[in-house]
Formats: sequence, C-alpha cells, structure tokens
Amino acid sequence: QSVLTQPPSVSGAPGQSVTISCTGSSSNIGAGYDVHWYQQLPGTAPKLLIHTNTNRPSGVPDRFSGSKSGTSASLAITGLQAEDEADYYCQSYDNSLSGSVFGGGTKLTVL
Amino acid sequence: QVQLQESGPGLVKPSETLSLTCTVSGGSISGYYWSWIRQAPGKGLEWIGYIYYSGSRGSSNYNPSLKSRVTISVDTSKNQFSLKLSSVTAADTAVYYCAKQLVLVRNFELWGQGTLVTVSS
Repeated sequence: QSVLTQPPSVSGAPGQSVTISCTGSSSNIGAGYDVHWYQQLPGTAPKLLIHTNTNRPSGVPDRFSGSKSGTSASLAITGLQAEDEADYYCQSYDNSLSGSVFGGGTKLTVL
Repeated sequence: QVQLQESGPGLVKPSETLSLTCTVSGGSISGYYWSWIRQAPGKGLEWIGYIYYSGSRGSSNYNPSLKSRVTISVDTSKNQFSLKLSSVTAADTAVYYCAKQLVLVRNFELWGQGTLVTVSS
C-alpha cells in the first residue's frame, strides 16, 4: 500500500491525451510539499520527468506537464507517442515519515 | 559529471544480511542526501532511507516499515555510502537503487543503474 495513490493503468491512442493522478494526504502533498514525476522504461532506472510540481528538466518534451492542487497532483501527457509507453511514478516528502514517499506507479499503454 | 554505481552480492540467503555499496564518482559525497530505494519485481518504488553528511556532522532516517533492519552508513574516504538490511526474506528480493537529493524534500536528481538482489537459499 503506497502512501501516494495512483491509478494502476491508463491508456490512450497515439495523438490523444491522458492524465495520471496522484493523491496524497495532509502529511505530504496537502502539507505543501512538492510533487515530482518519473518515467520508468522496462529494465531502467526512473528518469525525472517533472520536478517541483510543474517544472520540466532540460530535454523533456513540453507534451508533459504537471499540476498540483490541495492533496493531489496530476501529470498530463498530450500528443501520445508509442515511446511514451512506460511506468510513471509520483514522489513527494512526508513529514510523518520524515522521508520520501512514492505513488504505486501507473502503467501507460499507447494503443 | 556525477555518477552513482551500486555494487554487492546478487544473491543472499534467507535470514542473512544484505550489503550493498554505492560509489559516488565525479563529485563529493558531502553536503547532499543519499538514499536507497528498492523495487520488487513487478512492483513500485519503495524508499528505504537516507544518509546526510557534511563536515563532521551526519544524519540518517529510515522507512518505518524497515527501520528495525536497516543501517545506512557513509565512508567519506572512499566517497561511498552503504546499505545493510538484516534478516532478509524472499520479500526483500528487489532491484536496489542508490540516489541523490540536493535537498531532502526535493526530487531525486540522480540515480544509479540499480542492482538486482535475490534472496534465496
């Protein structure tokens, strides 16, 4: 049971848009801590996709965007491409654990 | 360019202690937060704990679910930090990643490639 809750899977056709939610609580996202998103391709380490809620590292396409409100955050992917098929994880800080917490991960399937 | 590399046995027997080392190359280990994160086969990411070292001061904290079995330490002379997980069971089989944070509440800005540790007799 992950501290942050994500849907196990989402899917969309090429060119379409999808959104992945990440729901936390008053000890993490709701406490004002930032949310970060990672993309993980099979057999590889997670790659930072969005940091500090809305910021894309250099090299990440602007098809990826993040938002945060209250105790939740979202990752939006527009113009889906086959290469976007991967697992996506949200991460934040939890003050009751005094450490990092992750969502359970969402598998994106591009139909 | 800073790089992280995990090393250690790929097979550990049940009830024994899992020991892994992360070597930090291209930069100093001082002044940053260094974590261990694991991922069981087909499962999500689980933060294990972190260590912070700066000058003569250091601190660490562990995931409460693993706290009684985990120790993370740092060897500044070798620019390495290590993980020890005691009394392992098959449930501890996972890919173990080491990772770096600039600030504890922020993202993991650098990851090792990960190393698979299997617990089996």
